[in-house]
Amino acid sequence: SYVLTQPPSVSVAPGKTARITCGGNNIGSKSVHWYQQKPGQAPVLVIYYDSDRPSGIPERFSGSNSGNTATLTISRVEAGDEADYYCQVWDSSSDHPVVFGGGTKLTVL
Amino acid sequence: QLQLQESGPGLVKPSETLSLTCTVSGGSISSSSYYWGWIRQPPGKGLEWIGSIYYSGSTYYNPSLKSRVTISVDTSKNQFSLKLSSVTAADTAVYYCARQPTPIDYWGQGTLVTVSS
Repeated sequence: SYVLTQPPSVSVAPGKTARITCGGNNIGSKSVHWYQQKPGQAPVLVIYYDSDRPSGIPERFSGSNSGNTATLTISRVEAGDEADYYCQVWDSSSDHPVVFGGGTKLTVL
Repeated sequence: QLQLQESGPGLVKPSETLSLTCTVSGGSISSSSYYWGWIRQPPGKGLEWIGSIYYSGSTYYNPSLKSRVTISVDTSKNQFSLKLSSVTAADTAVYYCARQPTPIDYWGQGTLVTVSS
């Protein structure tokens, strides 16, 4: 099945920019979605179809996808952005179509 | 506003069958655009897709769990259900129901199921 690789952790100072990557074979040909999960809560969709934002998600959250890497970018990071972030794709050609990355813990210093 | 709510036992004995139900409110489970399914998260670990079902009954299952998983739908009650047989401690997790397939835009709050004697 398709494999998505994320760094286990990313640290960033408040007000700076955080970039969380999601690697996969030719991931640029797939649609990537990103979820934020805070402790004890269900995941929340923050970016869908590579770069679209659901209503209510701040403009500070953006996404891109090309080649073998998709990236979630969080600008002007705030303490409240500290959470786990997961990328996800739908691999329609697979018998395991819903694939998640392993997750990245974002720490705000 | 669509809402999903998981229900079922929080404690299951090893070798028994885990059973959970997800009740959907604020929308119809018979919508032609969506699948409905289950995702789990062991304590301190990442998300694992379990499987999905369409209102007509067609299903997708995670190959690693396929031999033990059954997902069913009851459109009259606007519910879908998960059964996972022969559970072990490795099946201890928070189980989420969610609207699928992609993106997963609505999630239940999750329910912790512990496998222990």
